[in-house]
Amino acid sequence: NAGVTQTPKFQVLKTGQSMTLQCAQDMNHNSMYWYRQDPGMGLRLIYYSASEGTTDKGEVPNGYNVSRLNKREFSLRLESAAPSQTSVYFCASSEGSEWTSLAETQYFGPGTRLLVL
Amino acid sequence: KNEVEQSPQNLTAQEGEFITINCSYSVGISALHWLQQHPGGGIVSLFMLSSGKKKHGRLIATINIQEKHSSLHITASHPRDSAVYICAVMRWWETSGSRLTFGEGTQLTVNP
Repeated sequence: NAGVTQTPKFQVLKTGQSMTLQCAQDMNHNSMYWYRQDPGMGLRLIYYSASEGTTDKGEVPNGYNVSRLNKREFSLRLESAAPSQTSVYFCASSEGSEWTSLAETQYFGPGTRLLVL
Repeated sequence: KNEVEQSPQNLTAQEGEFITINCSYSVGISALHWLQQHPGGGIVSLFMLSSGKKKHGRLIATINIQEKHSSLHITASHPRDSAVYICAVMRWWETSGSRLTFGEGTQLTVNP
């Protein structure tokens, strides 16, 4: 099993460009998450999806859109990139769904380093 | 003030030393996680606990719900333990999946 995979690993964008970060998991997990990690800030939740077809905003959703394409894949889109979106982006997944409130282990992807000039 | 505070922010130790990293939180929680972020950036979950103590190899995690405090201990530390250790909590009112609030992390360096 590959676990959680992310593409690309690294990307440089110019201000105003758009791009989509891809995430896929092969553990049949219901919940998937997108985080950003910035120095001195810790990980912050951008969006999450508790089941296929549902998405909800996290702590810092502005400037991002997401799509839960199917149970395996959860993509994050930057429509018009800004320098403030320079960060490391992590995708994660866990078994839980919108019908459970269990605290569970989250499995993280390797991260995508994004630089917006 | 952050809901999850870790101390120290940075910690340097000599190989073999006993290490303690602390996590305090200000909200009611249903569970607390300890994660390890490797120098290459990858993040792995070490423990999830809601009471008492858990042990895995040289790692021990404890939590005191009344005091809103958790500790991660590493016995007989080794240079390969060098990493960022992150505390994260699931607030008790969160539903749907497992939404976490993270501390900023503790950078641990173990010198040979």
